[in-house]
Amino acid sequence: KAGVTQTPRYLIKTRGQQVTLSCSPISGHRSVSWYQQTPGQGLQFLFEYFSETQRNKGNFPGRFSGRQFSNSRSEMNVSTLELGDSALYLCASSSTPGHYNSPLHFGNGTRLTVT
Amino acid sequence: GESVGLHLPTLSVQEGDNSIINCAYSNSASDYFIWYKQESGKGPQFIIDIRSNMDKRQGQRVTVLLNKTVKHLSLQIAATQPGDSAVYFCAENIVPGGSYIPTFGRGTSLIVHP
Repeated sequence: KAGVTQTPRYLIKTRGQQVTLSCSPISGHRSVSWYQQTPGQGLQFLFEYFSETQRNKGNFPGRFSGRQFSNSRSEMNVSTLELGDSALYLCASSSTPGHYNSPLHFGNGTRLTVT
Repeated sequence: GESVGLHLPTLSVQEGDNSIINCAYSNSASDYFIWYKQESGKGPQFIIDIRSNMDKRQGQRVTVLLNKTVKHLSLQIAATQPGDSAVYFCAENIVPGGSYIPTFGRGTSLIVHP
């Protein structure tokens, strides 16, 4: 079974631009979560989608948004990029969120650099 | 060891030794704990999990111990190999629930010397 796939692997953008990141979950997984990882803050939760609905949202500004499609694929968008948005963005999927024995399965992330 | 909110600690061991990585979790209501391993350039990879009704669980070369009294979790790796070099995260969660938002610790960097 294929793992979580994130595209692109690397992105370089300039301040003020916007960016869209894509995530394809493991087949059959309906929950997709997004995390931002930085050396200073560690893994921080952005949002979680289940069956095309955002169920939970972390403490990030409205510039960060996402969506999930009917095939469970998800995208996240960051508008008006700032230097501090430079990070590794990780997508994770799970089969039955809110249940035991249903850990997150992560992709290898998209490395975003804002200059 | 590791605790949520602290700087990333480092554990250096020799190949073949046993490694113990510690984690202090914060929420006494947490009842599901997971260990992840993150190698350079990759996303975190699930290693092993444990429910709060257990105090020990074993996998292949790994054992997780849970002490709810002091809110402490540890990951033991037997016969550590160079391929075990990575950052290890513990995560805590409250289950069941409608949401699944595990809280991650800051991680411990394990360096295995050949």
